[in-house]
Amino acid sequence: GAVVSQHPSWVICKSGTSVKIECRSLDFQATTMFWYRQFPKQSLMLMATSNEGSKATYEQGVEKDKFLINHASLTLSTLTVTSAHPEDSSFYICRPGGLNTEAFFGQGTRLTVV
Amino acid sequence: AQSVTQLGSHVSVSEGALVLLRCNYSSSVPPYLFWYVQYPNKGLQLLLKYTSAATLVKGINGFEAEFKKSETSFHLTKPSAHMSDAAEYFCAVSDQDGANNLFFGTGTRLTVIP
Repeated sequence: GAVVSQHPSWVICKSGTSVKIECRSLDFQATTMFWYRQFPKQSLMLMATSNEGSKATYEQGVEKDKFLINHASLTLSTLTVTSAHPEDSSFYICRPGGLNTEAFFGQGTRLTVV
Repeated sequence: AQSVTQLGSHVSVSEGALVLLRCNYSSSVPPYLFWYVQYPNKGLQLLLKYTSAATLVKGINGFEAEFKKSETSFHLTKPSAHMSDAAEYFCAVSDQDGANNLFFGTGTRLTVIP
């Protein structure tokens, strides 16, 4: 089946720096990518939906200037956390949208900002 | 609007005992319903999904769930718990399959006691 590769799995960064998370669909084309955030012991919450070749759609309360999403090709979507702060520490997970893609989640990225 | 409610944030069962994890949904359209399992710092693995084809859905690892429209429920069961079943379980709802966003419940942590 289709595979989604998300990197890095773990990242520790200093407060004020930026971190880029990549999500690749390895054997299919994803015109849409859902980005979720999961705080410790909480559920997944949709942050934004990226669309290949167009601007991402952000959920209410998510700062688009802080969480930059790029979907430059049908196989790659990236999330950049800019000027990261400790409160951005979380688990970030991507999932491509499309017919029968509900099983295809990235492995997740554990971000720790110190 | 769609949402799911998972009753019980933590469930403990003895090894070999019945597992029952509860999920109730709310949806203004016929729902697609999903159960996922998540191990620490990992992405989500799809256990099973309901798409109106059959009310009793069998999934992987011996899990199954029954869609009950009259009760707006989609509870997850397994006849005999294994130690390897200890994990976090999420119920989710969508108005389509993976093409659209999934709305997740708050999760239930399953502990299996030897």
